[in-house]
Amino acid sequence: AQSVSQHNHHVILSEAASLELGCNYSYGGTVNLFWYVQYPGQHLQLLLKYFSGDPLVKGIKGFEAEFIKSKFSFNLRKPSVQWSDTAEYFCAVNGNTDKLIFGTGTRLQVFP
Amino acid sequence: NAGVTQTPKFRILKIGQSMTLQCTQDMNHNYMYWYRQDPGMGLKLIYYSVGAGITDKGEVPNGYNVSRSTTEDFPLRLELAAPSQTSVYFCASSPTTDSPLHFGNGTRLTVT
Repeated sequence: AQSVSQHNHHVILSEAASLELGCNYSYGGTVNLFWYVQYPGQHLQLLLKYFSGDPLVKGIKGFEAEFIKSKFSFNLRKPSVQWSDTAEYFCAVNGNTDKLIFGTGTRLQVFP
Repeated sequence: NAGVTQTPKFRILKIGQSMTLQCTQDMNHNYMYWYRQDPGMGLKLIYYSVGAGITDKGEVPNGYNVSRSTTEDFPLRLELAAPSQTSVYFCASSPTTDSPLHFGNGTRLTVT
């Protein structure tokens, strides 16, 4: 069965710091990978997605993620965070099934 | 274009009561999902549907039932509410499995 692990549960950064959030999945076949963001009081919104092709994908608001197949990873990065990036971030995987499985989320707090 | 509409927004139930969470989408999406979101646990898939007349269990289906008689509607039924079902419930839809999910605004359910 497919599963998703996000090892960073709570990350605290100052503005302008660099961000990397880990995401690992377990599934041996072809995968579709997603990062979603949930701002306080709102529902989830798509940040970026990977289906095939260039393993480095760029999303909205300066976020990017790199798919490393050999490591079963899809880490999210941003070179310089802003206070407005304070939110919860969810990695999700669809491994050639109809189910989209989410990780437990990483809460990011950015202080000015 | 309303997108995904969930009702009610809030509900308090007593243990043993039943209720139906409504979800409707006007985008003609085949795929619909029900998730529950609990603090620190991320989103857990309850049930999903790949089209009218077809439903399947997700990660945490116990205590819930669904039906999909039309493409637009995907109600979630709680037959005997339990405190463990206190959560925020999100309905989502997508046209295909490699498309981003469109989420509803959620239903906050408390069972006491």
